[in-house]
Amino acid sequence: GQQVQQSPASLVLQEGENAELQCNFSTSLNSMQWFYQRPGGSLVSLFYNPSGTKQSGRLTSTTVIKERRSSLHISSSQTTDSGTYLCATMGYKLTFGTGTSLLVDP
Amino acid sequence: GPKVLQIPSHQIIDMGQMVTLNCDPVSNHLYFYWYKQILGQQMEFLVNFYNGKVMEKSKLFKDQFSVERPDGSYFTLKIQPTALEDSAVYFCASSLEQGARGGEQYFGPGTRLTVL
Repeated sequence: GQQVQQSPASLVLQEGENAELQCNFSTSLNSMQWFYQRPGGSLVSLFYNPSGTKQSGRLTSTTVIKERRSSLHISSSQTTDSGTYLCATMGYKLTFGTGTSLLVDP
Repeated sequence: GPKVLQIPSHQIIDMGQMVTLNCDPVSNHLYFYWYKQILGQQMEFLVNFYNGKVMEKSKLFKDQFSVERPDGSYFTLKIQPTALEDSAVYFCASSLEQGARGGEQYFGPGTRLTVL
């Protein structure tokens, strides 16, 4: 079955620094979805990105299907960005990665 | 954006009892999903549902689990009887379609189930 690996597992930044989160997957897929999971557990969909690059504010997602990877770039990080970032590959279901736990210090 | 609602937000029950988790999906969506997340662990797929039928289910979707959406009302996950290992947060999701076009899944806030 599909294997989804995220790196790094955890990351600590100073406010204002940039972050690059990686997601690698083992087999071909229909699309990729990135989520932010709040400390309380609820999920916020950040990007639905079958391929190419999408940007929303300080966030940029790039998916390269042939290379079986996707990345999430956070620019000028803020303390409110702290939380867990999940990538998920899409077939008939979402297969989630293990997540990157981000802490942004003031 | 589109919202998925889940009721209740928390549920505490004794082992062996039945529990029903309710999901109000995005109104025009056709595909419905349940996922399970044990505290501190990975989110895992349980089941997806389309046109009144279970389409795919994982090994986690035990015989004690069932799903339905009677007459376009709530999409429900029923566990009967519950076991200690069922304690987790259960997330409902819905999508308009499957595949690259329209397959974005929208998630509810989750129901935290505690089985004592």
